[in-house]
Amino acid sequence: AQSVTQLGSHVSVSEGALVLLRCNYSSSVPPYLFWYVQYPNQGLQLLLKYTTGATLVKGINGFEAEFKKSETSFHLTKPSAHMSDAAEYFCAVSPNTGGFKTIFGAGTRLFVKA
Amino acid sequence: KAGVTQTPRYLIKTRGQQVTLSCSPISGHRSVSWYQQTPGQGLQFLFEYFSETQRNKGNFPGRFSGRQFSNSRSEMNVSTLELGDSALYLCASSLGGQGLNEQFFGPGTRLTVL
Repeated sequence: AQSVTQLGSHVSVSEGALVLLRCNYSSSVPPYLFWYVQYPNQGLQLLLKYTTGATLVKGINGFEAEFKKSETSFHLTKPSAHMSDAAEYFCAVSPNTGGFKTIFGAGTRLFVKA
Repeated sequence: KAGVTQTPRYLIKTRGQQVTLSCSPISGHRSVSWYQQTPGQGLQFLFEYFSETQRNKGNFPGRFSGRQFSNSRSEMNVSTLELGDSALYLCASSLGGQGLNEQFFGPGTRLTVL
């Protein structure tokens, strides 16, 4: 069985500060890992994904995440927050056994203060 | 290229009724997945269709069903609606096939059950 835990339902940072959103997963098979962003009244947009290979993954809008197998973590970071980063972020895992059966974390709402 | 479209965007039904939601994937995409998003349960995977066949299934009761047509358009049906079925239903499409390609999400259909 797979599961995803996002630490912190709400995170608040100042504009220009480091963004760190935490995600831990459990999976009985090698997983594919994702981060999505959701703006109000919109669907989800993929920020980045890890499938195989390099464990440091760079995504859109300056975000990146590092897959750490020993820690079963896939934390999302951005060096400098922008007001437009305010949104809800979801970490997700899917088994690499064919097709999608994506399990999402509960989400972390990011607030950016001016 | 047009994105994923979902119709209708908003829907109000009463308990006991049934509802059909529609999803048109991006042209050329053969995989369509459905998700339910609620404040209490978050994002939950319903099922995935690929080439008109259900490839993966989440843990929802049999009242939730779906199908995919030869043009990859997909419909989701919920019978005997319950108050707890009120949610945002998201559809996502991807190229499908081997490997885990990026999923593109539609804006969702917001279903309210009274």
